[in-house]
Amino acid sequence: KNQVEQSPQSLIILEGKNCTLQCNYTVSPFSNLRWYKQDTGRGPVSLTIMTFSENTKSNGRYTATLDADTKQSSLHITASQLSDSASYICVVTLTGGGNKLTFGTGTQLKVEL
Amino acid sequence: NAGVTQTPKFQVLKTGQSMTLQCAQDMNHNSMYWYRQDPGMGLRLIYYSASEGTTDKGEVPNGYNVSRLNKREFSLRLESAAPSQTSVYFCASSLAGVSGNTIYFGEGSWLTVV
Repeated sequence: KNQVEQSPQSLIILEGKNCTLQCNYTVSPFSNLRWYKQDTGRGPVSLTIMTFSENTKSNGRYTATLDADTKQSSLHITASQLSDSASYICVVTLTGGGNKLTFGTGTQLKVEL
Repeated sequence: NAGVTQTPKFQVLKTGQSMTLQCAQDMNHNSMYWYRQDPGMGLRLIYYSASEGTTDKGEVPNGYNVSRLNKREFSLRLESAAPSQTSVYFCASSLAGVSGNTIYFGEGSWLTVV
């Protein structure tokens, strides 16, 4: 079964600190992997999208990495801000899957003063 | 630049009632989608429309119908609402399919069926 698992489920960090969120997937074959940010009560917003041949992709203070061999991805947030408090969702696209995206359940991040 | 707009934002229905969720995008996208998000689960695809004039079932289509009214609009209808359809519904769009294209989501519609 194609799955996307994220860890940790939740995380609390102090403002200014860095953190790394993990995503392990079993979706195969896959064409790309995305990270989304979802603020409470809002829709998901795209942060990065990487193809299977890319190792890293940055978007400001967000850097995603991908290891297609081990089927792992991570999202690194640098110098966290209060506004980074949100759920971060890992999404994998199944190749030839007829618009099939497999969503993780997200990591809930809270940034505190 | 509105992006993807959904209405209503909140709705409470009684079991057996019907309703339609409306969605419109102003990005000239070809593909549109309806997802539901439930606690402890990832978003799941209900229906999608790869292009104007076409619709296809996703993972969880039972109890729903859709209409791609034109290129901009994609509606989701619950014919006879059930408590199991209590969820947050997201409309989304992309230029053409999901592979390699950014998917833009609306702000969500919170539906409670009592």
